Amino acid sequence: ELKVEQNPLFLSMQEGKNYTIYCNYSTTSDRLYWYRQDPGKSLESLFVLLSNGAVKQEGRLMASLDTKARLSTLHITAAVHDLSATYFCAVDFNFLSGNTPLVFGKGTRLSVIA
Amino acid sequence: DSGVTQTPKHLITATGQRVTLRCSPRSGDLSVYWYQQSLDQGLQFLIQYYNGEERAKGNILERFSAQQFPDLHSELNLSSLELGDSALYFCASSVSTSGTYNEQFFGPGTRLTVL
Repeated sequence: ELKVEQNPLFLSMQEGKNYTIYCNYSTTSDRLYWYRQDPGKSLESLFVLLSNGAVKQEGRLMASLDTKARLSTLHITAAVHDLSATYFCAVDFNFLSGNTPLVFGKGTRLSVIA
Repeated sequence: DSGVTQTPKHLITATGQRVTLRCSPRSGDLSVYWYQQSLDQGLQFLIQYYNGEERAKGNILERFSAQQFPDLHSELNLSSLELGDSALYFCASSVSTSGTYNEQFFGPGTRLTVL
């Protein structure tokens, strides 16, 4: 079964602190995506990771991919309130065919408090 | 703005009714995906169409159906509506070229409320 697991599912963190969200998946893939969703809004693409060892950074967020461990991480540095949102990882298990749906994790709801 | 459009933004209807949600993909994207998001079930994949043909099915109820038209826009039909169908319905699109990446772009969603 194709599975994507995120942890934690809920995260409350203080402003200025660092934390990491983990995304594990069940079988081989080197195509992984991170999305952000604000309450009641759509999903916005954050990062596209396309190979083992890929690292992408945007502001206080950094995403990495370890295909051997089947693990991606989303690291938050010096959190600010504006980062409060739900973060989803999604894996493409059939990218060679090019036209199959991504498998999404359940999402991590992040709340940054003062 | 992802370039994916969905109409209507909000829909309020009664149990037993039928509604149609519409999605226009980004220019050049061949695949359209439909998702349902509710508080207790998270983001559920419903169905995918690729260039007019059904490509993959997820947790889609028999009361729900979809199609993709020659101009690539898609419609999701929900019938015999129940209270539990109240949710946000998202459409996403992607280029879907084999061997490359398959980033999906999401529309703003349709919020369906069944009373």
